[in-house]
Amino acid sequence: EAGVTQSPTHLIKTRGQQATLRCSPISGHTSVYWYQQALGLGLQFLLWYDEGEERNRGNFPPRFSGRQFPNYSSELNVNALELEDSALYLCASSLASGSAGANVLTFGAGSRLTVL
Amino acid sequence: GESVGLHLPTLSVQEGDNSIINCAYSNSASDYFIWYKQESGKGPQFIIDIRSNMDKRQGQRVTVLLNKTVKHLSLQIAATQPGDSAVYFCAEVPTGGFKTIFGAGTRLFVKA
Repeated sequence: EAGVTQSPTHLIKTRGQQATLRCSPISGHTSVYWYQQALGLGLQFLLWYDEGEERNRGNFPPRFSGRQFPNYSSELNVNALELEDSALYLCASSLASGSAGANVLTFGAGSRLTVL
Repeated sequence: GESVGLHLPTLSVQEGDNSIINCAYSNSASDYFIWYKQESGKGPQFIIDIRSNMDKRQGQRVTVLLNKTVKHLSLQIAATQPGDSAVYFCAEVPTGGFKTIFGAGTRLFVKA
């Protein structure tokens, strides 16, 4: 069974540009979460999607946005990139909210975004 | 803001010794805790979980202890092996389960 897959693995952008990161959840998982992990730091919650809807959002500016597609894959967009957006962006998936095991997250390997 | 923190950012242990990784959480409105392990170049992986109505849970070589009185969580790894070298995160799922809150992580080094 394929795990959570993320693309691209690495992405280099300059300030002011836009970045798009993609995530495919485990088959059968309908919830997708995005986390930002700055170098040497913990995971900061960004966004949670479930059944195509944004369910919760972390303390990030509106230039961080995303969506979930009918096949439950997801996209994270970061507009007007700033230097401090450089980080590893991790996507995780889980079973549907409310189901047994919904709290256990399965992570992808992440997309490393570097803003120059 | 909300946080799940760790007492020790790094821990170095001798191969074969037991490891104890500690975590203090600040959100008392939670009913579920999880430990994740993140190896270099990978995303975090689930190790073990515990519900707030328990104070201890054992897995294979790992034990999680929960002390709700002082809002403290710990992960014990028995007979630590080189493959245990990683960053360990404690995570908290508040009641309602809207999001998982991660701590800053502890890096475990296992010396051969």
